[in-house]
Amino acid sequence: GQNIDQPTEMTATEGAIVQINCTYQTSGFNGLFWYQQHAGEAPTFLSYNVLDGLEEKGRFSSFLSRSKGYSYLLLKELQMKDSASYLCAVMDSNYQLIWGAGTKLIIKP
Amino acid sequence: ETGVTQTPRHLVMGMTNKKSLKCEQHLGHNAMYWYKQSAKKPLELMFVYNFKEQTENNSVPSRFSPECPNSSHLFLHLHTLQPEDSALYLCASSQAPGQGRDEQFFGPGTRLTVL
Repeated sequence: GQNIDQPTEMTATEGAIVQINCTYQTSGFNGLFWYQQHAGEAPTFLSYNVLDGLEEKGRFSSFLSRSKGYSYLLLKELQMKDSASYLCAVMDSNYQLIWGAGTKLIIKP
Repeated sequence: ETGVTQTPRHLVMGMTNKKSLKCEQHLGHNAMYWYKQSAKKPLELMFVYNFKEQTENNSVPSRFSPECPNSSHLFLHLHTLQPEDSALYLCASSQAPGQGRDEQFFGPGTRLTVL
């Protein structure tokens, strides 16, 4: 079966750095997405990786290793507004998104 | 209006009621999706429409009936639901399904409670 694993919850301190991991087992691979979802709001797109390596976008970076079935989202200089759930999703061979259950990130002052 | 809108935002219904959820996208996209989001569970894809044609139906019970009259509008008709159907129902749209970097844009969702 297809599976996406990510931690259920993480806590970090304002101004610090946090890394949210995602491992996947899917039938085929056509890219990996990270979305951010604040409580009661729509998920919003953060990043897309299809080749191995690091993609940097401001305070957020996303890394992919296809051979290991592994990705992480790195958030730097954490702000209180970064408190949200972070969803990892993989596009499989049928171009269908397979979603993880999300990681709830709690930022403390 | 911009992006993807959904109405109503909240809905409480009894098991014998019939109601409909509405989604509209203002992005000129070709594909629209219905997802179910339950607490601490992955997003569950329910239906996909591409150019108004249904291309996915992930074994969804018949008490959920989708309708896509055009590329901008998507409905989910609900009847004789069960309490376990209580969840957040998200609508999304994308430009080019079947291509890798096909980012999906989500609406704010309808929080459904079935009594």
